[in-house]
Amino acid sequence: RKEVEQDPGPFNVPEGATVAFNCTYSNSASQSFFWYRQDCRKEPKLLMSVYSSGNEDGRFTAQLNRASQYISLLIRDSKLSDSATYLCVVTDSWGKFQFGAGTQVVVTP
Amino acid sequence: EAGVVQSPRYKIIEKKQPVAFWCNPISGHNTLYWYRQNLGQGPELLIRYENEEAVDDSQLPKDRFSAERLKGVDSTLKIQPAELGDSAVYLCASSFGETSVLVSEQYFGPGTRLTVT
Repeated sequence: RKEVEQDPGPFNVPEGATVAFNCTYSNSASQSFFWYRQDCRKEPKLLMSVYSSGNEDGRFTAQLNRASQYISLLIRDSKLSDSATYLCVVTDSWGKFQFGAGTQVVVTP
Repeated sequence: EAGVVQSPRYKIIEKKQPVAFWCNPISGHNTLYWYRQNLGQGPELLIRYENEEAVDDSQLPKDRFSAERLKGVDSTLKIQPAELGDSAVYLCASSFGETSVLVSEQYFGPGTRLTVT
């Protein structure tokens, strides 16, 4: 079983719609959580950190559910430029980053 | 401010040949990571340095891979000899702080796309 699992998608989303997807992690001692965005043939870039109380950054909302060991990302009012692969990242107590395989989002006109 | 610099951006070699990748992290970042990313997968850690010390190299295939980070700044990752299965994107990332104490976000370089024929 992979330590960080994501639905690979693709999630096909009409422009302006809302899309949400989850990421599950197996290590209950995981400490920090992030969402990274990766465009085709580009490097991953930090989208947002995920805090215990949940957090929002513009049209993006991230949630953490420690009891069920998953994090989620919600994108409101989707833009064409949101099309990318979203990587879930979880760190352990030693600071090791574990990446999921990514969820592909395709926003269509 | 300059980001993480990697070279070369692309490399094509025949199997059994050696290859080396170079990374210059963001100035002031003491933690440096090398990842390998295969198509459709997330990055997989190969080695992590805090300053000059390799603090996690458990995923580095030591029979053919080696890395060094002299003076705690630039780093080189080497493969010798390369195999067909080594074809992937090799990403370097850096962050500030000791990861055992404070986890901060990583900044990635553009990667080196390696093709082994």
